[in-house]
Amino acid sequence: GQQVMQIPQYQHVQEGEDFTTYCNSSTTLSNIQWYKQRPGGHPVFLIQLVKSGEVKKQKRLTFQFGEAKKNSSLHITATQTTDVGTYFCAGPYNTDKLIFGTGTRLQVFP
Amino acid sequence: DAGVTQSPTHLIKTRGQQVTLRCSPKSGHDTVSWYQQALGQGPQFIFQYYEEEERQRGNFPDRFSGHQFPNYSSELNVNALLLGDSALYLCASSRGRVEQFFGPGTRLTVL
Repeated sequence: GQQVMQIPQYQHVQEGEDFTTYCNSSTTLSNIQWYKQRPGGHPVFLIQLVKSGEVKKQKRLTFQFGEAKKNSSLHITATQTTDVGTYFCAGPYNTDKLIFGTGTRLQVFP
Repeated sequence: DAGVTQSPTHLIKTRGQQVTLRCSPKSGHDTVSWYQQALGQGPQFIFQYYEEEERQRGNFPDRFSGHQFPNYSSELNVNALLLGDSALYLCASSRGRVEQFFGPGTRLTVL
């Protein structure tokens, strides 16, 4: 079946350090979405990438979609304690079935 | 705009019982998807409803069923509950096939 893997599973960083999570799909995706889930909360949509090789920035967050549209990454520059949470990538399969990745839990120490 | 709302917030049931969870989508949204999120894992797609019909289904048994009403609200029903059904059940709404707005979820505990 369709699989979306993320690495690392956990990442602990000192505030101010950078952070990157990588997402890999077993099949080519029409688009990739990224969500953030704070501890005890629900997933919140961050961004959608559609084009091969696309790069989008949101302040300190940089999102990239691979050339083959099978992988993606999220990079956070100079992490802050507000960045704590689990970051999920998600890709649509059979058009409407959104498959979430395994997630990367980020912990930021002040 | 109240966003996506779900009820109840918490629920405790025993094995074999049946449960109904409810979801009201964000204003203007016509598509509702349901997800199961076990502790420490990502959301798992259960099914999606559009125009009162199930449009897509994940790898969940027939014990999981749903419904969408003309006002776009939705219900998730789970029959013959198992201990493994304990999870956070998330409802997400969207308009079209773009970003999904998630509700706060219903925490189901099966004893």
